[in-house]
Amino acid sequence: GESVGLHLPTLSVQEGDNSIINCAYSNSASDYFIWYKQESGKGPQFIIDIRSNMDKRQGQRVTVLLNKTVKHLSLQIAATQPGDSAVYFCAEIISGGYNKLIFGAGTRLAVHP
Amino acid sequence: ETGVTQTPRHLVMGMTNKKSLKCEQHLGHNAMYWYKQSAKKPLELMFVYSLEERVENNSVPSRFSPECPNSSHLFLHLHTLQPEDSALYLCASSQGGQKQFFGPGTRLTVL
Repeated sequence: GESVGLHLPTLSVQEGDNSIINCAYSNSASDYFIWYKQESGKGPQFIIDIRSNMDKRQGQRVTVLLNKTVKHLSLQIAATQPGDSAVYFCAEIISGGYNKLIFGAGTRLAVHP
Repeated sequence: ETGVTQTPRHLVMGMTNKKSLKCEQHLGHNAMYWYKQSAKKPLELMFVYSLEERVENNSVPSRFSPECPNSSHLFLHLHTLQPEDSALYLCASSQGGQKQFFGPGTRLTVL
């Protein structure tokens, strides 16, 4: 049969609006979380990280929220721009040893003018 | 630029060929990683080297053979690959338990 690609959830937003990308993580022992952005033809690029002793962290135009009770992570992008169009991955880490990253499937963000 | 470079950026090979992917990091990190990213699956960890010793082999077939000659260089030797091995192969590095920085990847096509 014909092979199919991985179907990523897509978030479509208007330029200038705020975007919220959500991620559910799997392991309650995870204590470090990272958001990556991957543009077409490039490797994942670090955006922001947060440790489990925090519930919010802000960067430039981005905010990460962590809810350990329900094992949920979100990335908020303010005033979304066309250059923000990409696939966004969350990754969880259980500290210790070499710190293995476990990646989510990703969400595609499409920004429309 | 993330400080992690990969060559070649694109590679087409037959199933009987032998080729190698190269990764170099200029960040002074002590851990390096190989990941596979295919159209059908999320990002998959293949191998981890910490202080030049392999600490993880994530059930990868033996037709993939990693090599880490020093803390700045990582290779992935390929032989007798299958068409389903076609994917984007990403290298990353980190300093201990800190965030990983990724290279641009090698787009591999196996005919």
